[in-house]
Amino acid sequence: EPEVTQTPSHQVTQMGQEVILRCVPISNHLYFYWYRQILGQKVEFLVSFYNNEISEKSEIFDDQFSVERPDGSNFTLKIRSTKLEDSAMYFCASSRAREVNNEQFFGPGTRLTVL
Amino acid sequence: TQLLEQSPQFLSIQEGENLTVYCNSSSVFSSLQWYRQEPGEGPVLLVTVVTGGEVKKLKRLTFQFGDARKDSSLHITAAQPGDTGLYLCAGGTGANNLFFGTGTRLTVIP
Repeated sequence: EPEVTQTPSHQVTQMGQEVILRCVPISNHLYFYWYRQILGQKVEFLVSFYNNEISEKSEIFDDQFSVERPDGSNFTLKIRSTKLEDSAMYFCASSRAREVNNEQFFGPGTRLTVL
Repeated sequence: TQLLEQSPQFLSIQEGENLTVYCNSSSVFSSLQWYRQEPGEGPVLLVTVVTGGEVKKLKRLTFQFGDARKDSSLHITAAQPGDTGLYLCAGGTGANNLFFGTGTRLTVIP
């Protein structure tokens, strides 16, 4: 069964450093998403991406964040200068289309720890 | 920001018992998803409901979408230890993002 994959599973970085989180969405999906979950809190939407551009973003997704689809399979989230409060699980998701049922399939996540 | 409140937040029951988890909001959603999340893993989609009043069954799990599409419930019959986990509801608005609920952590004791 097709699934979303994410690498790395765990990333430890120093405050102020840049990190890139990688995702391979399900191959025939067209919409891609990033969510984050701070420990003990609920899953929060960051950004959605379609046709090589951002279609929607939340207040969390400020200028420190960027997304890119560098090739036909990968979808990346870059944090330019990490802060302590960026420590969280980051989940990539994908969906087949922007349908009313909005079914999104999530990857296993990358645990980002900022020291 | 649409808020989805889930209740109860924590639920611990004996194997074989029935339970219901609720997901409530003051906002209308075009769809409602239920996910289950294991520690350190991503949410796994269980079901999607899109029509007000819709009921879907998945083995021992019954999902219902409220008539006004503002709330939903998950009922588990004869709970088993394998049902233990964090259950999340998430509402879709027709835009691209999902609004997740606060979660219900279920523990089924053998």
